[in-house]
Amino acid sequence: GAVVSQHPSRVICKSGTSVKIECRSLDFQATTMFWYRQFPKQSLMLMATSNEGSKATYEQGVEKDKFLINHASLTLSTLTVTSAHPEDSSFYICSARSGGRAGNTIYFGEGSWLTVV
Amino acid sequence: EDQVTQSPEALRLQEGESSSLNCSYTVSGLRGLFWYRQDPGKGPEFLFTLYSAGEEKEKERLKATLTKKESFLHITAPKPEDSATYLCAVQGYGQNFVFGPGTRLSVLP
Repeated sequence: GAVVSQHPSRVICKSGTSVKIECRSLDFQATTMFWYRQFPKQSLMLMATSNEGSKATYEQGVEKDKFLINHASLTLSTLTVTSAHPEDSSFYICSARSGGRAGNTIYFGEGSWLTVV
Repeated sequence: EDQVTQSPEALRLQEGESSSLNCSYTVSGLRGLFWYRQDPGKGPEFLFTLYSAGEEKEKERLKATLTKKESFLHITAPKPEDSATYLCAVQGYGQNFVFGPGTRLSVLP
């Protein structure tokens, strides 16, 4: 099946610093990638939709300047949490939509645990 | 507006006790209905895509079925390793993917 890789899987950063999370589709091209946030025992919260070569579309309530999303190629999207604070600590998950041979399906990365201290 | 609900919110089964999870949806033209399994602290794992009413798909102890209003994920003779949260999502002609809240399944040995 299609594979989406997310890196790093765990990161600890100091309050006020920025941290970047990468999401790569390893065996298919993804014109659309999605970023989610998930709190313990809760469902996925869509943060933004990232389209290759264009600006990301953010969900209501998500700060664009805090969560910078770049989708520079058909296989890579990045989420940068800027000036991180402890309340940004969470599990962040990316997904990529496949097309073509793999069908129109969303495949998820393994997730990234962010802890801001 | 496309919507997805899942029931029950949580389900506890004894090993070997078969059951079904429900995903009810309203969507403006269904392009696909998707089932995922999510283990704690991990990203969701793709299980099935269903495209039209009447379609069924199977994988090991899991079988997904689809009608015009809902989908069922049947679990036959579950094992403790089937414990996870099962997520349902739909994609309408608007192309947005809408996820349900999930069903937390616990299978006790």
